[in-house]
Amino acid sequence: DAGITQSPRHKVTETGTPVTLRCHQTENHRYMYWYRQDPGHGLRLIHYSYGVKDTDKGEVSDGYSVSRSKTEDFLLTLESATSSQTSVYFCATGGSGTTTGELFFGEGSRLTVL
Amino acid sequence: AQRVTQPEKLLSVFKGAPVELKCNYSYSGSPELFWYVQYSRQRLQLLLRHISRESIKGFTADLNKGETSFHLKKPFAQEEDSAMYYCALLSNFNKFYFGSGTKLNVKP
Repeated sequence: DAGITQSPRHKVTETGTPVTLRCHQTENHRYMYWYRQDPGHGLRLIHYSYGVKDTDKGEVSDGYSVSRSKTEDFLLTLESATSSQTSVYFCATGGSGTTTGELFFGEGSRLTVL
Repeated sequence: AQRVTQPEKLLSVFKGAPVELKCNYSYSGSPELFWYVQYSRQRLQLLLRHISRESIKGFTADLNKGETSFHLKKPFAQEEDSAMYYCALLSNFNKFYFGSGTKLNVKP
């Protein structure tokens, strides 16, 4: 497995509270992604990063923000969590050049918003 | 806009039977397509990509641009093939888009 770790792995929080998920990689990959996995929807792209401080929105970015201050870390923040954001969140990384190539995934973070 | 469609949520076959997992896509550019697999309690991982045209674990997939399809096939399914399979498209902007997934259940 690529050196991709997500934290926390499990979190239960209440509606309206802020939540930050962290993705850490040791592969020096240029591209990093956050997805959410929901039954019937598969994996949907939230945000992605193509370099330090370079990020872009995905399909379901409303209610989420990201930051990437260094190559290794990509943070996903829910400013005010809602029940609709209950999901399993996956980080993925890839590419050291101009293309992503293969994606490598973290183990996932299960978030429950009560 | 790009879109990846996997019409089957669940596919059940008996061991030794052929299996085909369907994937259709819509994309205005030249697509790069992949199949990813998630076995129970394991991370999502790459199974194969169309540009390599290789067979992995007996699976093959051919890109059909006319039908905008990238179906995954295996002539003889094994119980260890039971997993969740995702078709994915890589766009020009290095964004990966995934389908909704197909759960393959291979019965003994």
